[in-house]
Amino acid sequence: EAQVTQNPRYLITVTGKKLTVTCSQNMNHEYMSWYRQDPGLGLRQIYYSMNVEVTDKGDVPEGYKVSRKEKRNFPLILESPSPNQTSLYFCASSSKEGYTDTQYFGPGTRLTVL
Amino acid sequence: AQTVTQSQPEMSVQEAETVTLSCTYDTSESDYYLFWYKQPPSRQMILVIRQEAYKQQNATENRFSVNFQKAAKSFSLKISDSQLGDAAMYFCAYRKGRDDKIIFGKGTRLHILP
Repeated sequence: EAQVTQNPRYLITVTGKKLTVTCSQNMNHEYMSWYRQDPGLGLRQIYYSMNVEVTDKGDVPEGYKVSRKEKRNFPLILESPSPNQTSLYFCASSSKEGYTDTQYFGPGTRLTVL
Repeated sequence: AQTVTQSQPEMSVQEAETVTLSCTYDTSESDYYLFWYKQPPSRQMILVIRQEAYKQQNATENRFSVNFQKAAKSFSLKISDSQLGDAAMYFCAYRKGRDDKIIFGKGTRLHILP
C-alpha cells in the first residue's frame, strides 16, 4: 500500500530535549516536505526536499533541521524544542513523473513541548 | 509573495444541499496548480480536487467541482448533495509550477446539518 508514515504519532516532551520525528514514504517520490498546522494559521511549510541531499527552507524553518540521506526518509529534527513548537506536524511526499504533483500526507504527529 | 485567502472560517449547510467554499490567491506566475484538501476529524489530509492553471476547463470529481477564474484569481469549491461525511476542515492550496513549495489558506470548517 502506498503510504507516508510518521513516528511517533504523539509526543510530549520538555523544553530543550532534542527530538526527531521520522517520516518515510514507499512511493519512490522525489519531493518531501514538512508542515506544521496551528489553529487559525492553516498549514505552513517548514522545510522541503527536492531529492536526496537537496533541502530548502520553507516559510517557518527556525528551530528545525532536516536531512535527506535516503530517498524514502526525511526526518525532522528539533535540536532544542520550545513551547512555541507545540503543534501538529505533517510530512508529505509527491512525484514529478508526468507532473502528477499530488501530495500524499502522513497521518500527522501531535507534539507538545512543556 | 504568493498568498492564499479563505475568507470563511466556518460554514454550515443542510444535508443534501449545495455549498460553495471561497478561495482567492495572489500570484504573478502564469504556471501554477491549485488544490482543495479535506481534513476530517481524523486529521488526515485528503486531496479533494486539483486544477492546473493552464486548463480553462473546471475540474470535477464526483460531487465536488471548482469554479476557477484565473483573471480574478478565484478558486471556489462547490460540494453538491452534501453528506454528513463531508463535515471537515477544507484547505485551499497553491503551488508554483515545477516547485514543490505549497502555500495553504487558513481553512474553512464545514458543518453538515442533518
